[in-house]
Amino acid sequence: QLQLQESGPGLVKPSETLSITCTVSGGSISVSNAFWGWVRQSPEKGLEWIGSIYYSGSASYNPSLTSRVTISADTSKNQFSLTLRSVTAADTAVYYCARVASSFVPSAAMNYWGQGTLVTVSS
Amino acid sequence: EVVLTQSPGTLSLSPGERATLSCRASQSVSNNYLAWYQQKPGQAPRFLISGASIRATGVPDRISGSGSGTDFTLTISRLEPEDFAVYYCQQYGNSPTTFGQGTKVEIK
Repeated sequence: QLQLQESGPGLVKPSETLSITCTVSGGSISVSNAFWGWVRQSPEKGLEWIGSIYYSGSASYNPSLTSRVTISADTSKNQFSLTLRSVTAADTAVYYCARVASSFVPSAAMNYWGQGTLVTVSS
Repeated sequence: EVVLTQSPGTLSLSPGERATLSCRASQSVSNNYLAWYQQKPGQAPRFLISGASIRATGVPDRISGSGSGTDFTLTISRLEPEDFAVYYCQQYGNSPTTFGQGTKVEIK
């Protein structure tokens, strides 16, 4: 059974960089039939797709965040990561990693999700 | 971007009753690429439906999706206690993908 687990800082100061890693078990991220993505959820914005990456390193991002976000993959560790720069209070949310159930639509439906990690942006 | 409007905001029903949830898009969703998720408090969303009507593995057949273009529906034919939750739609036919604001199905 595929499992995803986020690990992150919990608290980030305004203007700093948020970094979260997703560790995948029960399957390899180096498969040709899936993208691996990030979604966040806040009371203000609801669910918001951040972006996704193919194991080859090709990434797609939400245009609203593209100037501040980078998603990378480390196939040797079976992990992928999210980096969000210059954070503000508006970036406070639960961040989920997920497997995208498509090999050709980076932002397709997501069939496996991590439990989520709450990141608060505050000084 | 495509705005998804879900209605009603809250649906108050009793176990055994039928639930009908609506998801309306501000423009036609390409290829009817519309997904549904269920979310319970403190949990991640659970994938239910893709392509407007294709049930995910393990989803009971009392849960079904339908619709095309701009109007989509999630139907739960007979509510079980475990079905009371918040349901979200997601369109992934138009970039960027977007989600609806959710419909809460609560016990009456």
